[in-house]
Amino acid sequence: SQQGEEDPQALSIQESENATMNCSYKTSINNLQWYRQNSGRGLVHLILIRSNEREKHSGRLRVTLDTSKKSSSLLITASRAADTASYFCATDKGAAGNKLTFGGGTRVLVKP
Amino acid sequence: EPEVTQTPSHQVTQMGQEVILRCVPISNHLYFYWYRQILGQKVEFLVSFYNNEISEKSEIFDDQFSVERPDGSNFTLKIRSTKLEDSAMYFCASKPPTYNEQFFGPGTRLTVL
Repeated sequence: SQQGEEDPQALSIQESENATMNCSYKTSINNLQWYRQNSGRGLVHLILIRSNEREKHSGRLRVTLDTSKKSSSLLITASRAADTASYFCATDKGAAGNKLTFGGGTRVLVKP
Repeated sequence: EPEVTQTPSHQVTQMGQEVILRCVPISNHLYFYWYRQILGQKVEFLVSFYNNEISEKSEIFDDQFSVERPDGSNFTLKIRSTKLEDSAMYFCASKPPTYNEQFFGPGTRLTVL
């Protein structure tokens, strides 16, 4: 698989349930970021976790990073219908310019 | 809250025509990027720009592509002779000097007929 692969590819849950998605990557990274994209729209930055961090919280979001396994997870707690979107992880290597390498995304459907 | 803006939101062009996609990054940001997303596929990096020059470009960014920051506020992507496979959503992003978060614009949907 390529750098930044998410699983599952699609997830369907009921409102108030938690949604968990995972991201794996191949090479060493400096940061890992999660973005949300509503259908046909732009990318909204959710959270960034540095390579020396293991866990980070932001509101209903919890991100973990395991650099030994080259993987990250995004947990959305108490999901709402408005959380319906695609979620992408993106990594950078810390080089000048810090280009992002995106995964294929997880499509999350939250049913009311 | 400041945001990245892009124009137009949708561009339809004939194969072989030149297009210019425009972006206005957030004003105190110093790093600028173009990415594209072909329908149903991953977001792909095209080019990064810093200090008035390209800092990195991908294999996709061939001689048909160019970028410019003509006036200190706009950041443009030009495709000289569009191909059918250039049809995609093109995203501009910018980054402040001291943080690693990139802020994306809403995108321009380019359709090449």
